[in-house]
Amino acid sequence: DIQMTQSPSSLSASVGDRVTISCRASQSISNFLNWYQQKPGKAPNLLIYAASTLQSGVPSRFSGSGSGTDFTLTISSLQPEDFATYYCHQSYSPILTFGPGTRVDVK
Amino acid sequence: EVQLVESGGGLVQPGGSLRLSCAASGLTFNKAWMSWVRQAPGKGLEWVGRIRSKIHGGTADYAAPVKGRFTILRDDSRNTLFLHVNSLKIEDTAVYYCATEVETDPAKVKNAFDIWGQGTMVTVSS
Repeated sequence: DIQMTQSPSSLSASVGDRVTISCRASQSISNFLNWYQQKPGKAPNLLIYAASTLQSGVPSRFSGSGSGTDFTLTISSLQPEDFATYYCHQSYSPILTFGPGTRVDVK
Repeated sequence: EVQLVESGGGLVQPGGSLRLSCAASGLTFNKAWMSWVRQAPGKGLEWVGRIRSKIHGGTADYAAPVKGRFTILRDDSRNTLFLHVNSLKIEDTAVYYCATEVETDPAKVKNAFDIWGQGTMVTVSS
């Protein structure tokens, strides 16, 4: 199975900060990489699919990049509603897997 | 409005069984590849398994921790997805979500979950 890792596991940031989260796959997954945001007690919400395509309705401050094994989610200017946990997810193999998550909290 | 609504969770003893359901509306269910994803308390997301549409064989894949104990089925006539969970372990305690993507056109699919249910809690405890 393809293993997904994320770094950092958590970070503290302030409103207006640029935030970058990394995700690495244990083997090449082309661009079959998605990013989700999850807030406590809620279902995850799709932010980015196919590594860099912004899901409809998601603010443009979110962006994704990468291909192969290394991917990045960037929030250009952190907003109060962005404090949450972020997960990457590979959909390349029949056995899907999620990264362990990155928690973004208030500095 | 596209909606997924899970039900069937509850408290069960180790070794027990449950059947979870996910009722879908607002999407072309018979073309959708449906997944179950779980989240243990305070933990991350874990993909459980997925069932393909009947036109793609209707077969299912499972994550290693649940393979042989969990079975995913679908009833396209009722727009409903099922997860039969057997031989439950303490570590199966989690919120179970069903998830899919609305788009079914192969030329436009995202290969991502753009629609999720609200989840149903399964607690395995003696």
